[in-house]
Amino acid sequence: QQPVQSPQAVILREGEDAVINCSSSKALYSVHWYRQKHGEAPVFLMILLKGGEQKGHEKISASFNEKKQQSSLYLTASQLSYSGTYFCGTDHGGQNFVFGPGTRLSVLP
Amino acid sequence: DGGITQSPKYLFRKEGQNVTLSCEQNLNHDAMYWYRQDPGQGLRLIYYSQIVNDFQKGDIAEGYSVSREKKESFPLTVTSAQKNPTAFYLCASNRGEGQPQHFGDGTRLSIL
Repeated sequence: QQPVQSPQAVILREGEDAVINCSSSKALYSVHWYRQKHGEAPVFLMILLKGGEQKGHEKISASFNEKKQQSSLYLTASQLSYSGTYFCGTDHGGQNFVFGPGTRLSVLP
Repeated sequence: DGGITQSPKYLFRKEGQNVTLSCEQNLNHDAMYWYRQDPGQGLRLIYYSQIVNDFQKGDIAEGYSVSREKKESFPLTVTSAQKNPTAFYLCASNRGEGQPQHFGDGTRLSIL
């Protein structure tokens, strides 16, 4: 079953912060985060493992709450280059991996 | 440099025609995947393969076929049975279950 992402879209000014949420109704082994720029392929950002620590990638970090079956992606002091669609992917074990519908992020100057 | 190569970048299909999209990887990955992406939408899994000569249907396999004769190659055929093939097709690979996926640059398929 596809995870739920919120919000569907967000518009920021450069330097502002944003949070993107991903939740699943099924138990999670891990959560992956990807970013896709318009017309391009998705690019892997980070993976959050069950029992693992919060991960970070430049000014982008993420957390994983196993009990709530959800993950959040934090974008701090956003840059123009952060614009794109962010997808979470949820791993439920046994080749049961599903991408979320995506959150479209636009960073304006 | 290692990576995934998809070709062609753009493809046009006539009514009743089968077309084949190429996907080659030199990352030595065991698993390969095909996704379909419609405008403004997420990625839907068509087929995946965990090992040579074996593949499984994804969520939207109807109208598509694949083969995995070599570890490096996972071509996708869009058959005439797929009535609405216009989409962006992405090929991906990884080392196995739960590992990050690496994507090719995609093929845009349109109907003439």
